[in-house]
Amino acid sequence: GAGVSQSPSNKVTEKGKDVELRCDPISGHTALYWYRQSLGQGLEFLIYFQGNSAPDKSGLPSDRFSAERTGGSVSTLTIQRTQQEDSAVYLCASSFDSGGTDTQYFGPGTRLTVL
Amino acid sequence: GESVGLHLPTLSVQEGDNSIINCAYSNSASDYFIWYKQESGKGPQFIIDIRSNMDKRQGQRVTVLLNKTVKHLSLQIAATQPGDSAVYFCAENPFMDSSYKLIFGSGTRLLVRP
Repeated sequence: GAGVSQSPSNKVTEKGKDVELRCDPISGHTALYWYRQSLGQGLEFLIYFQGNSAPDKSGLPSDRFSAERTGGSVSTLTIQRTQQEDSAVYLCASSFDSGGTDTQYFGPGTRLTVL
Repeated sequence: GESVGLHLPTLSVQEGDNSIINCAYSNSASDYFIWYKQESGKGPQFIIDIRSNMDKRQGQRVTVLLNKTVKHLSLQIAATQPGDSAVYFCAENPFMDSSYKLIFGSGTRLLVRP
């Protein structure tokens, strides 16, 4: 079946512009995660959605970052007034449930470059 | 503080040899550990996991070992193949009230020489 998809695959923007990154999770997965991966680094947790519960936003680095998940499926990560330090690969993952042992399936990521 | 780190940033092995990738973790409360493989241009792919009540778990050509005494995790790959070339991440979950939240290490690049 289809895996997690993300769009766009690459995004180049100018400093100060807003960007929106999209994630389509695996059908039937109730949990959705966003991570950020800087060059040569591991993944940094950003935000987590589970069903209709309030999202865990504890990993968002600043108030310029926000995310929403409509209808319990597609999610959009928005970065306002982008800065050069926002350049990274943004990865989305989904899992069937939110239990600690539920495997998170990752999408290919969106590579964001802020000039 | 909470951290997950790796001993070797790059590991080069001969095809057919066994590979061992190491990971140290600092949070003794962590009870779940995972290894991911990330190929260039792709998202991480789950390889194998282990809970803290186990010392060893085996999969297909892979084995994860957990030493809680020294807070050390390792991934062993048997008969390494060119397709194993990738960056490998260990991840831990130390959050009892947020079991979904993983802390990832910085990764080890595995290069397989033909």
